[in-house]
Amino acid sequence: GAGVSQSPRYKVTKRGQDVALRCDPISGHVSLYWYRQALGQGPEFLTYFNYEAQQDKSGLPNDRFSAERPEGSISTLTIQRTEQRDSAMYRCASSLEDRVGEQYFGPGTRLTVT
Amino acid sequence: LAKTTQPISMDSYEGQEVNITCSHNNIATNDYITWYQQFPSQGPRFIIQGYKTKVTNEVASLFIPADRKSSTLSLPRVSLSDTAVYYCLVGEEAAGNKLTFGGGTRVLVKP
Repeated sequence: GAGVSQSPRYKVTKRGQDVALRCDPISGHVSLYWYRQALGQGPEFLTYFNYEAQQDKSGLPNDRFSAERPEGSISTLTIQRTEQRDSAMYRCASSLEDRVGEQYFGPGTRLTVT
Repeated sequence: LAKTTQPISMDSYEGQEVNITCSHNNIATNDYITWYQQFPSQGPRFIIQGYKTKVTNEVASLFIPADRKSSTLSLPRVSLSDTAVYYCLVGEEAAGNKLTFGGGTRVLVKP
């Protein structure tokens, strides 16, 4: 079956612009997670949802970052007034249940802020 | 979440067994141990998870001693395609939510 998909795969934006990154999880997966990964480092947790409810947003760096999952399926991570330090790979993952264990990761969106 | 320590890198040769040991001295009673693999330009991929003793699947084995303060991921007869970063994670199964990745171990398999 289809895995986790993310769009766009690459995004180049100018500093100060807003960006929206989309994640389409595996069908039927309850939990959806957002991570950010810098080159040469492991993924860093940002936030996660169970169905449409945002359960934990402790990893969001500041209030320019927000995420939603209004219908419990597709999720959008929005970064307002982007800064160069926001440049990174943004990864989405989903899992069948709300449990630590097997998360399925998408291919990621490479964001470059110029 | 318990902190994990694993080697930064390891080299091996095709056909050999690779063993990566992860230390997690502060592991809690309810914590599980999970390993992920990440190839360049791809997202992490779940390999194996265990709580105690030994777990084996078609990809790897996970050895966990009785005190659970460490664990060893064993990759049998590696091939060039096993070159990747391997992450050890510790967390409570019931807690769901975040996975905390460390730096991982970069395994290079040479011909």
